[in-house]
Amino acid sequence: DAGVIQSPRHEVTEMGQEVTLRCKPISGHNSLFWYRQTMMRGLELLIYFNNNVPIDDSGMPEDRFSAKMPNASFSTLKIQPSEPRDSAVYFCASKDSGLAYEQYFGPGTRLTVT
Amino acid sequence: GENVEQHPSTLSVQEGDSAVIKCTYSDSASNYFPWYKQELGKRPQLIIDIRSNVGEKKDQRIAVTLNKTAKHFSLHITETQPEDSAVYFCAASQGGSEKLVFGKGTKLTVNP
Repeated sequence: DAGVIQSPRHEVTEMGQEVTLRCKPISGHNSLFWYRQTMMRGLELLIYFNNNVPIDDSGMPEDRFSAKMPNASFSTLKIQPSEPRDSAVYFCASKDSGLAYEQYFGPGTRLTVT
Repeated sequence: GENVEQHPSTLSVQEGDSAVIKCTYSDSASNYFPWYKQELGKRPQLIIDIRSNVGEKKDQRIAVTLNKTAKHFSLHITETQPEDSAVYFCAASQGGSEKLVFGKGTKLTVNP
């Protein structure tokens, strides 16, 4: 099993540009989570999906952020337009359904907005 | 919503000593409490978890205790080794919501 896959691993962009982060969950997992990690705010849940449906997006900071999950094996997090304060590490995680509680994290995408 | 407080923010111990990290949570409906370890530049990885129907769980040198009445839980690492150096995060999740709320993390340094 390859685990959760994220791309790109590093992204450097200029303020105002659109950024798209990608995630492939572990095969068979039906819950997917997007987190943002910064020194100041720690690990924050942005949004999570269950069976490709967004369940809770209360952590999405503002309308510049959007997330989609068009099918069970792919999700995107888009920031448009990007701002320097969006600089962070973005993690995607997935978990199995039912009684399994563990969330498996991907390697993360380090985003730098200049 | 749930709020998780974690202490201390940094902890330095000598190799072989024990380390204890404590967390409190606010929502009495929370029933799942995992601990994640994150090494520098790496992803968070689950090291141990506990559910609200038990008070203690052990796995070799690590253990977690839960006090539901006081709404706090702790991570205990015995016989610490330099490779235990990392940031440790506690979290709490309401059953059925799948949503994890993380503490701010504890940077543990084990000095040889």
